[in-house]
Amino acid sequence: SQTIHQWPATLVQPVGSPLSLECTVEGTSNPNLYWYRQAAGRGLQLLFYSVGIGQISSEVPQNLSASRPQDRQFILSSKKLLLSDSGFYLCAWSVSYHGPYEQYFGPGTRLTVT
Amino acid sequence: AQKITQTQPGMFVQEKEAVTLDCTYDTSDPSYGLFWYKQPSSGEMIFLIYQGSYDQQNATEGRYSLNFQKARKSANLVISASQLGDSAMYFCAMREGPSGNTGKLIFGQGTTLQVKP
Repeated sequence: SQTIHQWPATLVQPVGSPLSLECTVEGTSNPNLYWYRQAAGRGLQLLFYSVGIGQISSEVPQNLSASRPQDRQFILSSKKLLLSDSGFYLCAWSVSYHGPYEQYFGPGTRLTVT
Repeated sequence: AQKITQTQPGMFVQEKEAVTLDCTYDTSDPSYGLFWYKQPSSGEMIFLIYQGSYDQQNATEGRYSLNFQKARKSANLVISASQLGDSAMYFCAMREGPSGNTGKLIFGQGTTLQVKP
């Protein structure tokens, strides 16, 4: 069966510090991968998605970047965090070869920028 | 542009009763998919049910059913026999088109459901 891991679970970082959040998927190959951010009590905003190694699409201009160095690894990064980067970050995967492309989510990372 | 609207910020339901969570959508693409997710207080998003735009019958998954009214562009989630564990935030989401192979979703703002004992 497929599983998705995210770490760390929680993170408190000062403004201006770098960020690296990691997501890995097990039990499937060539998945679509997604990074979302959720503000408190709000819906999910798609930040990045990837349909293959090295292929990253950005949905909104922001202070963040994403990379996919391996088939089942997705990394969210920032060189200098802003207060507005605080939120709940969720990684998700879906199969890439047929619908309905339902997405399965990791446990998330709660990021607080101080 | 595609859009998902959930107009109920919060809902209460008595344990063992049924509850309907509303979702309307807007898209010009004839091919799309609609999803419902549950988010407990732990934060993890749990996939509940899926409805394709060409599906003739309403989707059902255990106690969950999707009341799909295509002409009205609504995809309401019905939870039967509510349980205390159903207390959570619920999100409606849409995938537009066959999407090539990106599978991108857009989400509504969510509805918080509280089940009363």
